[in-house]
Amino acid sequence: DTGVSQDPRHKITKRGQNVTFRCDPISEHNRLYWYRQTLGQGPEFLTYFQNEAQLEKSRLLSDRFSAERPKGSFSTLEIQRTEQGDSAMYLCASSKAEVGELFFGEGSRLTVL
Amino acid sequence: GIQVEQSPPDLILQEGANSTLRCNFSDSVNNLQWFHQNPWGQLINLFYIPSGTKQNGRLSATTVATERYSLLYISSSQTTDSGVYFCAVERTGGFKTIFGAGTRLFVKA
Repeated sequence: DTGVSQDPRHKITKRGQNVTFRCDPISEHNRLYWYRQTLGQGPEFLTYFQNEAQLEKSRLLSDRFSAERPKGSFSTLEIQRTEQGDSAMYLCASSKAEVGELFFGEGSRLTVL
Repeated sequence: GIQVEQSPPDLILQEGANSTLRCNFSDSVNNLQWFHQNPWGQLINLFYIPSGTKQNGRLSATTVATERYSLLYISSSQTTDSGVYFCAVERTGGFKTIFGAGTRLFVKA
């Protein structure tokens, strides 16, 4: 069991560019979550998948954000036309539906210049 | 939505001291977890404890679901315990886990 992996770990981009993050959950986990964390704050829920279905999206997720989980395996989070306010750590977690204990990856840190 | 409040917000301890961190939540919950966030940002699972008491080495946790609170005990603290401790809950009937603002712990040598 390799745990939850995220890529890239760090991304520096210029305002207006698009970025994409990838998350590979623990293999037998059918739930996948994306969170965003800014300095000094707790992680904030962004969106949640059960298998390939996106079941809930936070109002924090503007139209510039889109997440997918094709085939219920890995997930991608894309941010279009990045803004400086998007600078944050983006965290992915997975769990089994029957248990609900979340396991997090190491995160992808985004800096928008 | 459910509110999660952690106290104290900041805590400074001398190495070897004991401490208690508290998490209050405003609604009934399916799940409750305690995490430690290390200096590199990784969230490390400490306890999955929707109710009852668990112990793991110098750490233990108790959740009293009927009274909507959980406690994390750290005994004989070490400098490596420094970091941010988060409580996170999933409301009964919900699917998303909500985090508190965390307790920032610094253990002095």
